[in-house]
Amino acid sequence: GAVVSQHPSWVICKSGTSVKIECRSLDFQATTMFWYRQFPKQSLMLMATSNEGSKATYEQGVEKDKFLINHASLTLSTLTVTSAHPEDSSFYICSARGNDQPQHFGDGTRLSIL
Amino acid sequence: KQEVTQIPAALSVPEGENLVLNCSFTDSAIYNLQWFRQDPGKGLTSLLLIQSSQREQTSGRLNASLDKSSGRSTLYIAASQPGDSATYLCAVRPVGSGTYKYIFGTGTRLKVLA
Repeated sequence: GAVVSQHPSWVICKSGTSVKIECRSLDFQATTMFWYRQFPKQSLMLMATSNEGSKATYEQGVEKDKFLINHASLTLSTLTVTSAHPEDSSFYICSARGNDQPQHFGDGTRLSIL
Repeated sequence: KQEVTQIPAALSVPEGENLVLNCSFTDSAIYNLQWFRQDPGKGLTSLLLIQSSQREQTSGRLNASLDKSSGRSTLYIAASQPGDSATYLCAVRPVGSGTYKYIFGTGTRLKVLA
């Protein structure tokens, strides 16, 4: 079946650095990708929706300059957390869908900012 | 604003029991509802998707029902096994969410004891 791969699965970095997370659709063309954030024991909160070749649409309250999303190809979207701080520590999950495809979710990236 | 609630938040049962997980949503204008499974530190696996015109879906030991007018869905798990231990999330796709975004509930953490 369709697979969405996220990389890295876990990253630890110092406060102030920028971190890039990749989301790839391995066997289908992802016309739309979604980025979610999940705090411990809480549900997934949609951060932004990105369509290939166009700017991402951010949900209310999500800083677009803080969370940079690029969807440059039909198989790859990246989320860059700029100048990360401890409060950005969270579990980030992407999902992707293509034409006539349901959403498929990646395995998530655990981000820890020291 | 669509809100999704899941009850109970946590559940612990002995192996072999049949169990019911509940999901309620505040706005009945939805395209569909999905039930997902999330293992600790992992992404989401789709279990069942019910379109708004459907009443239920079945897959193996899982049965999901949908009563759109009352804003409720249930996930029935028959003959539970320790391998069923996970967090179960329900999510609705609201009408008007042209980008296929989903609103997630807070989940039910299930533990099946051997």
